[in-house]
Amino acid sequence: EPEVTQTPSHQVTQMGQEVILRCVPISNHLYFYWYRQILGQKVEFLVSFYNNEISEKSEIFDDQFSVERPDGSNFTLKIRSTKLEDSAMYFCATGQGATDTQYFGPGTRLTVL
Amino acid sequence: GENVEQHPSTLSVQEGDSAVIKCTYSDSASNYFPWYKQELGKGPQLIIDIRSNVGEKKDQRIAVTLNKTAKHFSLHITETQPEDSAVYFCAAFMFSGGYNKLIFGAGTRLAVHP
Repeated sequence: EPEVTQTPSHQVTQMGQEVILRCVPISNHLYFYWYRQILGQKVEFLVSFYNNEISEKSEIFDDQFSVERPDGSNFTLKIRSTKLEDSAMYFCATGQGATDTQYFGPGTRLTVL
Repeated sequence: GENVEQHPSTLSVQEGDSAVIKCTYSDSASNYFPWYKQELGKGPQLIIDIRSNVGEKKDQRIAVTLNKTAKHFSLHITETQPEDSAVYFCAAFMFSGGYNKLIFGAGTRLAVHP
């Protein structure tokens, strides 16, 4: 069964450093999302992406965040200058259509020191 | 604003008992309600979903009910097993302008004791 994959599984970085989290969507999916889950808290929407542009973003997704699909397969989330409060699990999700089920990847645990 | 409330936050049952988790949502335009199971260290896995044109859906030991008038939906797990132990999240689709996002509840930690 096809699944969403994410790399790395765990990223440790120093405050102020840039990180790039990567996701490989299910092959025929066209809608891509990033969500965040701070330890012990709910999963929060960050951004949705379709047709090579952001379709919606939350207030968490400020100027330090960016997304792109550089090579037509990987979908990336970049945090330019990480802060301590960026420490969380980051989940990629993909869906076939705008109103279709979203399938989640296993997540990347980001730890900012 | 958009919000999904989920109760209880923790639930402990004996193996074989039933478990019920309840959620309410704020946006009456929501039309799709998935339930995800999250095991330790893993991403949320879809276990069942329901769309707004249906009041109930069942898949083996799992069922979901939806009351659009009251804006609440519930997950029912019958004949619970230890492997059902996990955190369960309800979610509601907020569909706006042709795109959508999932708004999650805070989660319910279910423990099934042998």
